[in-house]
Amino acid sequence: RKEVEQDPGPFNVPEGATVAFNCTYSNSASQSFFWYRQDCRKEPKLLMSVYSSGNEDGRFTAQLNRASQYISLLIRDSKLSDSATYLCVPFSGSARQLTFGSGTQLTVLP
Amino acid sequence: NAGVTQTPKFRILKIGQSMTLQCTQDMNHNYMYWYRQDPGMGLKLIYYSVGAGITDKGEVPNGYNVSRSTTEDFPLRLELAAPSQTSVYFCASSLDSGGNSPLHFGNGTRLTVT
Repeated sequence: RKEVEQDPGPFNVPEGATVAFNCTYSNSASQSFFWYRQDCRKEPKLLMSVYSSGNEDGRFTAQLNRASQYISLLIRDSKLSDSATYLCVPFSGSARQLTFGSGTQLTVLP
Repeated sequence: NAGVTQTPKFRILKIGQSMTLQCTQDMNHNYMYWYRQDPGMGLKLIYYSVGAGITDKGEVPNGYNVSRSTTEDFPLRLELAAPSQTSVYFCASSLDSGGNSPLHFGNGTRLTVT
């Protein structure tokens, strides 16, 4: 089983839609989780950190299910500028244990 | 407000050539990292450093070397370039171990080995 699994997509949604991505992880020792967004051919940038059961920041909500070892990202009222690849990143305690998923591609259509 | 600066942005190498990818940060971060990203894949950790004078291998270190003589600089050396090293390389830094503080990435270096 891969350390981090994400549905690669692409998810094509209309503006204003709500969309959710799931990410499953295999290391039960993962302590914290991050969602990074990566625009085409650009560097990843931190979107959200999750240290407990979840986090909410404006239109973005992350929910963690430790028992089932998955974390989800919900985007409400999608904007064109949300089009990007979203990377799920579990952290297991040391600098080398920050594992990047291969990402879910989102395209928001006008 | 430079953050993490990588040079060059693009490079084409012939098989067997060598080169150094430069990375510098001006945020006084202790931790620095080198990742590679192949098309459609996640970032793979090549090497990392927890402070000046200290480096350690990541998941895919073969074919690469690093040094960390100062807090600011973390160059990545490719000694004998191979086509398998064709990738996008990202340097990153963080104040803490990456679990407690976000990674700040450079713009990337797109390397092609032919």
